Amino acid sequence: DIQLTQSPSTLSASVGDRVTITCRASQSIVTWLAWYQQKPGKAPELLIYKASSLETGVPSRFSGSGSGTEFTLTISSLQPDDFATYYCQQYNSFSRTFGQGTKVEIK
Amino acid sequence: QVQLQESGPGLVKPSETLSLTCSVSGGSVSSFYWSWIRQSAGKGLEWIGRIDTSGSTYYNPSLTSRVTMSVDTSKNQFSLKVGSVTAADTAVYYCARDSGFASGWGQGTLVTVSS
Repeated sequence: DIQLTQSPSTLSASVGDRVTITCRASQSIVTWLAWYQQKPGKAPELLIYKASSLETGVPSRFSGSGSGTEFTLTISSLQPDDFATYYCQQYNSFSRTFGQGTKVEIK
Repeated sequence: QVQLQESGPGLVKPSETLSLTCSVSGGSVSSFYWSWIRQSAGKGLEWIGRIDTSGSTYYNPSLTSRVTMSVDTSKNQFSLKVGSVTAADTAVYYCARDSGFASGWGQGTLVTVSS
């Protein structure tokens, strides 16, 4: 089974900061990686798919990059609405797995 | 745009079977792949399994012996069964459209396992 490890687990940042979250896979997943944002009590929402493709309607301050085993989600200028938990998910195989999540908190 | 709605009992007794249904609107259940995902309180997301348009299923290896997924095209629904449940199966259960990634989610339904 492919394991995903996100870092950091928690991130404290201020509005306007550039934020980067890393997701590492236990084996190559090419670019078969997605990123989600989840707010308390809500279902996750898709931000990025195929490592770097922005989902329709998602603000352009979100971007994804990477291939193989290392991926990043970047928020170029953190906005108040962006304080949430972020998850990566791989879909390289018939099975899917999620990272453990990164909580972005207000500094 | 496809919309999803989970339904089913919110309370299940230990050792019994958890059964949930996801109703699909705005599209045909037979046109897409579907997944179930769950989230225990304060924890991360766990992928349970998926079913494709031919009815083939793929389950999380840690759950495969207890999980069954199926599609009912007449009702435009798909379903999840988890057998021999324990307190560890208490979670919010989400249904989702599977495009490899989850391209649409239901709102989620809380299932508590307790006697």
